[in-house]
Amino acid sequence: AQSVTQLDSHVSVSEGTPVLLRCNYSSSYSPSLFWYVQHPNKGLQLLLKYTSAATLVKGINGFEAEFKKSETSFHLTKPSAHMSDAAEYFCVVSDQGGGGNKLTFGTGTQLKVEL
Amino acid sequence: GAVVSQHPSRVICKSGTSVKIECRSLDFQATTMFWYRQFPKKSLMLMATSNEGSKATYEQGVEKDKFLINHASLTLSTLTVTSAHPEDSSFYICSAGGGEWTNEQFFGPGTRLTVL
Repeated sequence: AQSVTQLDSHVSVSEGTPVLLRCNYSSSYSPSLFWYVQHPNKGLQLLLKYTSAATLVKGINGFEAEFKKSETSFHLTKPSAHMSDAAEYFCVVSDQGGGGNKLTFGTGTQLKVEL
Repeated sequence: GAVVSQHPSRVICKSGTSVKIECRSLDFQATTMFWYRQFPKKSLMLMATSNEGSKATYEQGVEKDKFLINHASLTLSTLTVTSAHPEDSSFYICSAGGGEWTNEQFFGPGTRLTVL
């Protein structure tokens, strides 16, 4: 079984300050983990993915995430927030690869970026 | 990455009518497609998994006779909401994966359904 918990439903940061969105997962296998972003009334865009290669994963738009098996975490970070980063972020887990297999979504974290 | 399209992007219909939503993988052959539903300010809820040429697998609590899914080819899956009611109003998103993409699914832009 697989599950994912996003610890914060809302995060608010000032422009130019670091972003941390937290995610913990549970998986019976070696999981694949993803972060997606969704802007209002839009589809999902993949930010980054972990699929058992390097534990520090770099994604688009300056985001990165570190897979920590001992902590069952996959937190998303960015050194400096930009106004355009304001959106909903989903942490997603798949037990087996993710391509043709079921994804389980977290409940989402709404990121607000203030001037 | 690969591209997945959905059509229509937005549809408004009367209560009791049926609505068909198409999901196409434009540049790869998707052995598996997924249909999600998203309520306002909520996460995505998986409705069903569709494998080409076979019957869809529905998640618990999803009415298969109400949400008809067809995956007739490796590039097309359709979701038909039958006898739609206002409570079916939602944002429906499909994704496609499998084939050459074993580690990733690609999401369509979504379809906003409003039932009056």
